[in-house]
Amino acid sequence: ILNVEQSPQSLHVQEGDSTNFTCSFPSSNFYALHWYRWETAKSPEALFVMTLNGDEKKKGRISATLNTKEGYSYLYIKGSQPEDSATYLCAYATGNQFYFGTGTSLTVIP
Amino acid sequence: NAGVTQTPKFQVLKTGQSMTLQCAQDMNHEYMSWYRQDPGMGLRLIHYSVGAGITDQGEVPNGYNVSRSTTEDFPLRLLSAAPSQTSVYFCASSPGTGGHQPQHFGDGTRLSIL
Repeated sequence: ILNVEQSPQSLHVQEGDSTNFTCSFPSSNFYALHWYRWETAKSPEALFVMTLNGDEKKKGRISATLNTKEGYSYLYIKGSQPEDSATYLCAYATGNQFYFGTGTSLTVIP
Repeated sequence: NAGVTQTPKFQVLKTGQSMTLQCAQDMNHEYMSWYRQDPGMGLRLIHYSVGAGITDQGEVPNGYNVSRSTTEDFPLRLLSAAPSQTSVYFCASSPGTGGHQPQHFGDGTRLSIL
């Protein structure tokens, strides 16, 4: 069993604040690291797939970085908006097997 | 495009009954997978397939069977349902294999075993 840890478990921020959360994963046998956004009553939606050490990806106000040597990835949200409220999942891919963290639940207070 | 379609959305079974959860995708994706979501745990991979006729076990395969006779369909079978299989089940697909492509998820099937 492979351990993927996400922290914090939950986060409440004010509208306009910037925030970040962490995904930790094993540094061996790395294929890819995925980030997903999961809104209540919907299904997970892909944000980023990161494959190379030092990768940085950006989509609007959301960005992510990857460090495969030490086994972590950060997700950043700049200027949080209420519509950013969701659970953010990371998934470690080793070949065709995916291991998901339990997610960080973000609530943005207007 | 419908994307990934799961049926049914809800189901209640009695212990020992069998049932098939359906999953279909219309994106010609090679990779398909089944996950279960339980409180306090991340999505856990049950089985996956990298193409028609090819399936393999994930992290929690016991009690479940799969087959993939076509690219589009990937049904999940519970042969003899147990209360421990009460969960929300998600099907997902991806255009490529090897973990380098994002997964597209269905809306989930909420299954209760009494």
